[in-house]
Amino acid sequence: GAGVSQSPSNKVTEKGKDVELRCDPISGHTALYWYRQSLGQGLEFLIYFQGNSAPDKSGLPSDRFSAERTGGSVSTLTIQRTQQEDSAVYLCASSLAPTSDIQYFGAGTRLSVL
Amino acid sequence: DAKTTQPPSMDCAEGRAANLPCNHSTISGNEYVYWYRQIHSQGPQYIIHGLKNNETNEMASLIITEDRKSSTLILPHATLRDTAVYYCIVRDSNSGYALNFGKGTSLLVTP
Repeated sequence: GAGVSQSPSNKVTEKGKDVELRCDPISGHTALYWYRQSLGQGLEFLIYFQGNSAPDKSGLPSDRFSAERTGGSVSTLTIQRTQQEDSAVYLCASSLAPTSDIQYFGAGTRLSVL
Repeated sequence: DAKTTQPPSMDCAEGRAANLPCNHSTISGNEYVYWYRQIHSQGPQYIIHGLKNNETNEMASLIITEDRKSSTLILPHATLRDTAVYYCIVRDSNSGYALNFGKGTSLLVTP
């Protein structure tokens, strides 16, 4: 596609429910990244994929968070048993190659946990 | 990554040049200077990057001092749509996968 696409753009859920956030990277980009941004805060790195594997999961805040990437393309970030502190904008980025290459971001998914 | 220092906020009149400074006095020889911006309610957007030469693209110009300890992002004719938080990031191939955005400079372009 022309850019990184994320869905849904907004998600409201109740505390304790599971949510799935989707990211469709730019075609041909092998590297994919998830970040989150809490209100008024900076970006917090969550996880990085190279192809289908995730060599760096260091940023996932708890075992309620997981992510997968299939076919070297679409990625899904899953949050189980959501808590109010999970409320944030979840941003996905992709790049042609990892590390020093330019990252292109989607518009994000705004998650609100009531 | 080398630490960067940016002013927290700046104002610029519409149509004038916006000059956003960044200090990176501990930059190493292999580290590039990247600039991104984040418009309200949008994801960050790549603007430009450079190593030691000045760079220009359709969005902006990047001026890097000869000692590479500081740089300036120039938006030659700022518009209201340029109101955003601008981030200066210094990194190389050993910097890992995550971009460290820091606090950036909040640029307000006024009519």
